[in-house]
Amino acid sequence: IAGITQAPTSQILAAGRRMTLRCTQDMRHNAMYWYRQDLGLGLRLIHYSNTAGTTGKGEVPDGYSVSRANTDDFPLTLASAVPSQTSVYFCASSGGTDSGELFFGEGSRLTVL
Amino acid sequence: GQNIDQPTEMTATEGAIVQINCTYQTSGFNGLFWYQQHAGEAPTFLSYNVLDGLEEKGRFSSFLSRSKGYSYLLLKELQMKDSASYLCAVGDSNYQLIWGAGTKLIIKP
Repeated sequence: IAGITQAPTSQILAAGRRMTLRCTQDMRHNAMYWYRQDLGLGLRLIHYSNTAGTTGKGEVPDGYSVSRANTDDFPLTLASAVPSQTSVYFCASSGGTDSGELFFGEGSRLTVL
Repeated sequence: GQNIDQPTEMTATEGAIVQINCTYQTSGFNGLFWYQQHAGEAPTFLSYNVLDGLEEKGRFSSFLSRSKGYSYLLLKELQMKDSASYLCAVGDSNYQLIWGAGTKLIIKP
């Protein structure tokens, strides 16, 4: 029983490099989300997808892109990483509950030098 | 603007009761959530309130007053494993969650 799987767990990369964070869920949830979490701040929504084939911008979308080719996968790409993108990234999904509660992956810790 | 306020840190004693407050100002309201997040781990769902009043779930209870823009999470019979951050989040008019910065709860023996 996996739920949501994120990869990599942790990554250090040089500024200017391209990086894709992977997210896969096996719960057949329609909605998926990418958040970043920084010390002293609440979770901030980067991008979301309400269903396969559609995506939308969240609160902090600049420098990030996403795709949703199918229900299970929702990768997040940093086209040219910058140090301010150093953060912990959480993928989440929702569906199948009355409250619309989110189910989170274990997170990807990204350091951009 | 939209804002969620909760205390940064609280300390309590094992076996005691603690109340974590959350006040919010959002464009619209579509439910209030509490999540628990242990250090280095993912947030996990604790409770959901959409109507005024108290929701009880075991040792944890959550209260909501929509007219006051206020909620609290009540933890009873505190255990060491309850040491974690507690995140308050509100669904806005677009059904997107607005998150507080979290309250770090420290439990002392």
